Amino acid sequence: LAKTTQPISMDSYEGQEVNITCSHNNIATNDYITWYQQFPSQGPRFIIQGYKTKVTNEVASLFIPADRKSSTLSLPRVSLSDTAVYYCLVGAGNFNKFYFGSGTKLNVKP
Amino acid sequence: EAQVTQNPRYLITVTGKKLTVTCSQNMNHEYMSWYRQDPGLGLRQIYYSMNVEVTDKGDVPEGYKVSRKEKRNFPLILESPSPNQTSLYFCASSPLSAGGWSYEQYFGPGTRLTVT
Repeated sequence: LAKTTQPISMDSYEGQEVNITCSHNNIATNDYITWYQQFPSQGPRFIIQGYKTKVTNEVASLFIPADRKSSTLSLPRVSLSDTAVYYCLVGAGNFNKFYFGSGTKLNVKP
Repeated sequence: EAQVTQNPRYLITVTGKKLTVTCSQNMNHEYMSWYRQDPGLGLRQIYYSMNVEVTDKGDVPEGYKVSRKEKRNFPLILESPSPNQTSLYFCASSPLSAGGWSYEQYFGPGTRLTVT
C-alpha cells in the first residue's frame, strides 16, 4: 500500500484559502488520490478525488503534479465549520485497499 | 434516505466474549469495508469486500472475521475480543466503477467498542 504523509495540524483564519499537501512517494500507477473530511465522532466524508493534474468541485480543488508523488487539497475561503481532520487517501486501482494515514487537523479561527 | 447503518453504536464487553457488529447499506453498493480508528493512527482498514462472497484482508485483519452473504450486509465478527481491539469502528460502502475500483466511500456513524 502506498503510504501517505501529511502535516499533523494547520491553523487558518476564516476567509482564507487553505492548502494541505500530502506526500505519497510510492503511489502505484493505478492508484487514485482521494481526500476525506472527518468531524469528531462522525464517519469520514468524501471531498474530492483525482488521478492527475487538477480536479475541482463545488467545495475544493485538488492539484496533482505530473510525477504524482504528492497532492494538494485547496479549500477556498474557509469558515469555522471547516474545522475538521482531513485525510489524504491513496488506493483503489486494482485492489481497492486503502491507507488513510493520520490526517491533518485543520483549525479555523475567527 | 441513502445511508450506511451500524449496530450497536456503543458496546462494552469482556475479553473472550464473541461479538458481532452489523453493517448494512441501502445503496446497492458492491464494495464494503471495515475500518478501525485509534488516536494518532488514523483509520486502518480491517477487511473489505468487492461483492457477495468476495472478501479480502486489509491492513489490520488479525482478530477479526467478516462475511458477505448478502449485498447489503457486511458484519464484523470478533471471535475472542481482546482489550487491544478497543477502538472506534467504521463501516463504509462504495459503488465500483466500470473498471472495478472504488470511488466515493460512504461511511456509517461508527461503533465505539470497549473490551475490558
